[in-house]
Amino acid sequence: EVQLLESGGVLVQPGGSLRLSCVASGFTFNNFAMSWVRQAPGKGLEWVSSLSGSGTNTYYTDSVKGRFTISRDNSNSTVFLQMNSLRAEDTAVYYCAKAPAILPLYFDFWGQGSLVTVSS
Amino acid sequence: EIVMTQSPATLSVSPGERATLSCRTSQPVSTNYLAWYQQRPGQAPRLLFYATSTRATGVPPRFSGSGSGTEFTLSISSLQSEDFAVYYCQQYSTWPRTFGQGTKVEVK
Repeated sequence: EVQLLESGGVLVQPGGSLRLSCVASGFTFNNFAMSWVRQAPGKGLEWVSSLSGSGTNTYYTDSVKGRFTISRDNSNSTVFLQMNSLRAEDTAVYYCAKAPAILPLYFDFWGQGSLVTVSS
Repeated sequence: EIVMTQSPATLSVSPGERATLSCRTSQPVSTNYLAWYQQRPGQAPRLLFYATSTRATGVPPRFSGSGSGTEFTLSISSLQSEDFAVYYCQQYSTWPRTFGQGTKVEVK
């Protein structure tokens, strides 16, 4: 059974930093791309970043380029999202999501999410 | 960027009735690389369809997906209580990946 468990979401001040983690199980981790998708309170889904299975190819939405970094540790089946220079508009539930292939496509499994609140 | 527009924003339907949800894209989605997700209150999204019309594992046959180019549809033939939720379409043809704003299916 595929499981994705996010952690690291907290209350942080504007301009601060945070690292989210997502531990995966139930599949051969390095064979699949991973992504982060966020959902602001009461709003829709927004794709944030994706990473190929090898970790070679990374993709970001424009609003987080230069501030967020996605990475993975295939030996520990974990994907990370390092978030720097946080803004109020980054407040959201961040979902870790698995792709069905080594390159990012759609999202076939989702974690339960980790809430990040950016506020002073 | 491909902009996804879903309609209606809210759909009020009685249990047992049919629901039809629309997703329009600002540019053609090549290879019909379009997915649909269901999100129940307080839960993570769940994949329903990929490649426009291919059901994900465990999705009941009362759900169907169709369309091509810039016009896509999700249909639910006979709404069950567990189907009242928000539905999102998403294209994975180009970067950035984009979602529609969602259609909420509520009890009439």
